[in-house]
Amino acid sequence: EAGVAQSPRYKIIEKRQSVAFWCNPISGHATLYWYQQILGQGPKLLIQFQNNGVVDDSQLPKDRFSAERLKGVDSTLKIQPAKLEDSAVYLCASSRSDRALGYTFGSGTRLTVV
Amino acid sequence: GESVGLHLPTLSVQEGDNSIINCAYSNSASDYFIWYKQESGKGPQFIIDIRSNMDKRQGQRVTVLLNKTVKHLSLQIAATQPGDSAVYFCAENTFKAAGNKLTFGGGTRVLVKP
Repeated sequence: EAGVAQSPRYKIIEKRQSVAFWCNPISGHATLYWYQQILGQGPKLLIQFQNNGVVDDSQLPKDRFSAERLKGVDSTLKIQPAKLEDSAVYLCASSRSDRALGYTFGSGTRLTVV
Repeated sequence: GESVGLHLPTLSVQEGDNSIINCAYSNSASDYFIWYKQESGKGPQFIIDIRSNMDKRQGQRVTVLLNKTVKHLSLQIAATQPGDSAVYFCAENTFKAAGNKLTFGGGTRVLVKP
């Protein structure tokens, strides 16, 4: 099966600009996750979707980050305005259900804010 | 399994030797523990999981040991190969009413010397 697709692979923006990331999960996977991975650290969950509904966004900085999964398939994560500390790899993962273990991760988008 | 910032602990191992990667976890209520492998430029890849009521599980060339008394998890890789060079993360999975919650610990970089 095809993996989790993410784009772009790399993005460099200036602080205070906005940026959006796109994720296409594995076909049939109902649960989608966005993680932020700062260099040298483990991934940290930002938001979890079950189909097109938000299950957990408790760690999403809602003053600047937003995410949507309107049709329960693709998802976008947006940052507006970006800060220097947002420089990180943004990983998307999906799983068959919210009870499944072993999520499949995409290769991520590396964001650099200058 | 706390983050160590930019300076990941590194394990250097000779090709063919066994590797042991350690992880301390914090949540006694976690249901599963999972090891992930992350190669440069890629997302984390599921290796093996262990249920919280087990103390040992074996896979292909890998063994995970769980010591709940001291909240310690280890991953043993037998006959380490160059392709095993990567960063390894342990993660805790907790089943909640709203679905799984997966929390990553800090990583360990494994360098395999030829």
